[in-house]
Amino acid sequence: AAGVIQSPRHLIKEKRETATLKCYPIPRHDTVYWYQQGPGQDPQFLISFYEKMQSDKGSIPDRFSAQQFSDYHSELNMSSLELGDSALYFCASSSPPSGGGSKPDTQYFGPGTRLTVL
Amino acid sequence: AQTVTQSQPEMSVQEAETVTLSCTYDTSESDYYLFWYKQPPSRQMILVIRQEAYKQQNATENRFSVNFQKAAKSFSLKISDSQLGDAAMYFCAYRSFGNEKLTFGTGTRLTIIP
Repeated sequence: AAGVIQSPRHLIKEKRETATLKCYPIPRHDTVYWYQQGPGQDPQFLISFYEKMQSDKGSIPDRFSAQQFSDYHSELNMSSLELGDSALYFCASSSPPSGGGSKPDTQYFGPGTRLTVL
Repeated sequence: AQTVTQSQPEMSVQEAETVTLSCTYDTSESDYYLFWYKQPPSRQMILVIRQEAYKQQNATENRFSVNFQKAAKSFSLKISDSQLGDAAMYFCAYRSFGNEKLTFGTGTRLTIIP
């Protein structure tokens, strides 16, 4: 079965640089979520999109922005990177109530992008 | 705000034995979802099992089952016939019916002893 695709898998940046993380949801999934997992921590919700509109917002820094495109893929843009931004960034997707082939109201996670800020 | 508590930072179990991981949560809502996710060393977040709060029947998925006690706000995961591949960090997560974000507990690291 198709899974959530994230790219790149690993990213190394310098302080104050910018980074763009990409997420391709499972086919027929219409909602995308972004989470940040610091070392030894649980994932923290950043932001979500439903049908290309922001649907919920968590503890996302103002330096970060995200959007969902017409093909449902999403990008997380991170500017003025700080050392503390080093983390594993997960994208997850979920299907509409009809299921779309997977359990509705259930988030399926991608493999994550490991961002290291030096 | 909802909170999820996993009071066991680490657990270990002998291969082929049964282990139960604990999770409690705090909410004032009546409709919600509960999940267990597994995170092996690869760091991938893998869905193990989910439970809808309106269902009284406990969810089961092969060797994995839950004990959902709504009044006690408890949601434990039982792993039967533990296998080496079950070794991972296990996260309990809560999702409101009308809110999409997942709130995770701090995780329980499960070690399988051969």
